[in-house]
Amino acid sequence: GAVVSQHPSRVICKSGTSVKIECRSLDFQATTMFWYRQFPKQSLMLMATSNEGSKATYEQGVEKDKFLINHASLTLSTLTVTSAHPEDSSFYICSARVERGAYTQYFGPGTRLTVL
Amino acid sequence: GQNIDQPTEMTATEGAIVQINCTYQTSGFNGLFWYQQHAGEAPTFLSYNVLDGLEEKGRFSSFLSRSKGYSYLLLKELQMKDSASYLCAALDSNYQLIWGAGTKLIIKP
Repeated sequence: GAVVSQHPSRVICKSGTSVKIECRSLDFQATTMFWYRQFPKQSLMLMATSNEGSKATYEQGVEKDKFLINHASLTLSTLTVTSAHPEDSSFYICSARVERGAYTQYFGPGTRLTVL
Repeated sequence: GQNIDQPTEMTATEGAIVQINCTYQTSGFNGLFWYQQHAGEAPTFLSYNVLDGLEEKGRFSSFLSRSKGYSYLLLKELQMKDSASYLCAALDSNYQLIWGAGTKLIIKP
């Protein structure tokens, strides 16, 4: 149980285009999902907390108009990187939280974004 | 402030035992997680401790001391596939995870 999928696993796009990444909890409902970014050889950095049915909560320094988050259902959150630039190239990872007990976060496999 | 400290890198020999330490300071505490992350992959859940003591799960064990704000992950009978980063994370009073920077474990033959 507690499987999280993420799609696509890898995407290459041109500068100025937008990219949408989907995160799905496959066998449980997740009112809260998280979006992380990780640059090579660096730590996980939390970008935002995605709340089902309400606006996402963004971490300091993360542009909410650039990184659009939608959590329309209890099993799906999407992250759209708008007007992508080469500096947005990174490994984007989502997680979904089980809302009971230990509140464990389970991670999707990640999406490697390369902006040319 | 909230803070998690763990060593940046450790090296161990195949077949040996290694202990990765983690100290934490958080606003409230609802448990301590360990995750494993192989290079280029997402983290995978290893363990969760909320009570003091040792939790054993196969070759991996995790220990917690709430009074000392301290945890460790113990890996026995090391295998080459255990080469990865190990992330310590504490759950604060708001059920938010506070992440350590991770410990890169290098296993040598």
